[in-house]
Amino acid sequence: ETGVTQTPRHLVMGMTNKKSLKCEQHLGHNAMYWYKQSAKKPLELMFVYSLEERVENNSVPSRFSPECPNSSHLFLHLHTLQPEDSALYLCASRHGLAGDYNEQFFGPGTRLTVL
Amino acid sequence: EDKVVQSPLSLVVHEGDTVTLNCSYEVTNFRSLLWYKQEKKAPTFLFMLTSSGIEKKSGRLSSILDKKELFSILNITATQTGDSAVYLCAVGNNYGQNFVFGPGTRLSVLP
Repeated sequence: ETGVTQTPRHLVMGMTNKKSLKCEQHLGHNAMYWYKQSAKKPLELMFVYSLEERVENNSVPSRFSPECPNSSHLFLHLHTLQPEDSALYLCASRHGLAGDYNEQFFGPGTRLTVL
Repeated sequence: EDKVVQSPLSLVVHEGDTVTLNCSYEVTNFRSLLWYKQEKKAPTFLFMLTSSGIEKKSGRLSSILDKKELFSILNITATQTGDSAVYLCAVGNNYGQNFVFGPGTRLSVLP
């Protein structure tokens, strides 16, 4: 257990559905991340929140919408997804600001399948 | 654009073998290089390297960074089946909160 939890662990949705992924960290960290991990591709950064403000948005399509209501919670709202969005979505958190020497702690991920 | 390359992408060994995994990078204003182990889902942290030539060690695993040649190696001695995993290398720079990840090396240790 890394102190970062994600729900649900598995999600199957149709292209017209709306769903949300949830991430929670119990480590007192001040930065949270969403990554996408597709088969045979490197981890792709999607969003970074630092002190509850979005500091990076890596050209992610608008059908993915993040929300960070406080420093412990991070959501990824999904709507009108495409089959190529099927992947493992990983949440991570870390303590510190830009340039700090702190590693990320990852949650177990949500395995998303879009039909 | 920051870039991380890992080799080999896949490796199969037998228990007791020693393996060396490679990570090379191109990054603007390098800050740190990290190694993670990913078995089923969540990557778990192994090492953070910031200075050249200083070996980090944890049990049978060790790692070293060469900032001049822009690479790092991860060594695993006396491998065990429990070492089977994907090993990820990531680099961070001084500017942001982002870490750029390599594609990973999938290590399979056979009994």
